[in-house]
Amino acid sequence: QVQLKETGPDLVQLTQTLSITCTVSGFSLTTYNVHWVRQPPGKGLEWMGAMWNGGGTDYNSAFKSRLSISRDTSKSQVFLKMNSLQTDDTAKYFCARQGIAAYFDYWGQGVMVTVSS
Amino acid sequence: DIQMTQSPPVLSASVGDRVTLSCKASQNINKYLNWYQQKLGEAPKLLIYNTNNLQTGIPSRFSGSGSGTDFTLSINGVELEDLSIYYCQQGNSLPFTFGSGTKLEIK
Repeated sequence: QVQLKETGPDLVQLTQTLSITCTVSGFSLTTYNVHWVRQPPGKGLEWMGAMWNGGGTDYNSAFKSRLSISRDTSKSQVFLKMNSLQTDDTAKYFCARQGIAAYFDYWGQGVMVTVSS
Repeated sequence: DIQMTQSPPVLSASVGDRVTLSCKASQNINKYLNWYQQKLGEAPKLLIYNTNNLQTGIPSRFSGSGSGTDFTLSINGVELEDLSIYYCQQGNSLPFTFGSGTKLEIK
């Protein structure tokens, strides 16, 4: 069955770099697109960026040049890397699979990251 | 970026009620509007995609309608388990954007 699982740190220091891995199973990264979405505590959902099945990426300009998404298809993993973390980057970070159209049909359980000074 | 506005922010309903949640886009998004349900501490779950298509496994009491800029999610016969926050999301153009959510409370 389709599964996504995020792994990453619980705590990141201010101005440091966040690295999260999304490991998928039940589908191929060369067939489906995978996206990153985050949710600050008690707030709504924010689309961060996408890893397209062809290997390209797109990013929300809100993250300017801080965000990088990559993948290792042999390991069925998608990676999020974001630098210069601030306290307002404290959030739960989700990876999600895109369905046939532009919707997210499967989600990981998310990883809660706190940025601490 | 396309702004998504949901209303009301909070909706209180009794079991068995029919409720309607609204989502408005700041520009035409054609049919590319999706609805998610998020329970406390969980990941969002896809309910409806492309305005009115029910995702597999979702109860038929959920339905969606609309076009262009105005969309609705209806729940026909609210159940206790529907206590959640509901988000709309536009898939018409990047960056994909979500509404701020409607919290459904059960009286």
